[in-house]
Amino acid sequence: EIVLTQFPGTLSLSPGERATLSCRASQSVSSSYLAWYQQKPGQAPRLLIYGASSRATGIPDRFTGSGSGTDFTLTISRLEPEDFAVYYCQQYGSSPPYTFGQGTKLEIK
Amino acid sequence: EVQLLESGGGLVQPGGSLRLSCAASGFTFSSYAMIWVRQAPGKGLEWVSGTSGNGDYRYYADSVKGRFTISRDKSKNTLYLQMNSLRAEDTAVYFCAKGDTGWPYYADYWGQGTLVTVSS
Repeated sequence: EIVLTQFPGTLSLSPGERATLSCRASQSVSSSYLAWYQQKPGQAPRLLIYGASSRATGIPDRFTGSGSGTDFTLTISRLEPEDFAVYYCQQYGSSPPYTFGQGTKLEIK
Repeated sequence: EVQLLESGGGLVQPGGSLRLSCAASGFTFSSYAMIWVRQAPGKGLEWVSGTSGNGDYRYYADSVKGRFTISRDKSKNTLYLQMNSLRAEDTAVYFCAKGDTGWPYYADYWGQGTLVTVSS
């Protein structure tokens, strides 16, 4: 089973700043099968990125996914107030179960 | 519009059983994989189980294998999760989610979740 480690655990930034969130896999994720989700308190997760770099429907272009192999990154170019949330990565490059990372909390500084 | 509505959560004693349901609408149910994901209070997401669009393939997390069973009824557009031998550590909000393809890779739509509490 692939283990995903996200860092930092918490990221404190101000609106307008750039956010860089990392996700590292314990072994290579085949075909860059990695997704990113955003979750706000009391809400279900929302798909942001799939295939490491493809934005889901309706996701603003300030969200960019990149990476391959074992190292992946979610970048938010200019933080909007609504972007402060918890972000999870998920790999689906091997047989199920398709594991999630432990999450990065993006909070307002 | 895709809609997923979970039901069946509640309070159950350790060792008990519960069946969750997820009523799906707004898409061709039998063409897409379906997934259950849970979130313990204050914790992260855990992939629990997934089934292919045709229902032929079913997968489980090691933590629930042998105790939980996923199934789907295409005549009712409904996904189920039968949970037996429940433990305190199964306490969580359980989300039903739709796969983006016929294989349970990642989820593009999610329900709002149903809370399962295992306690005496």
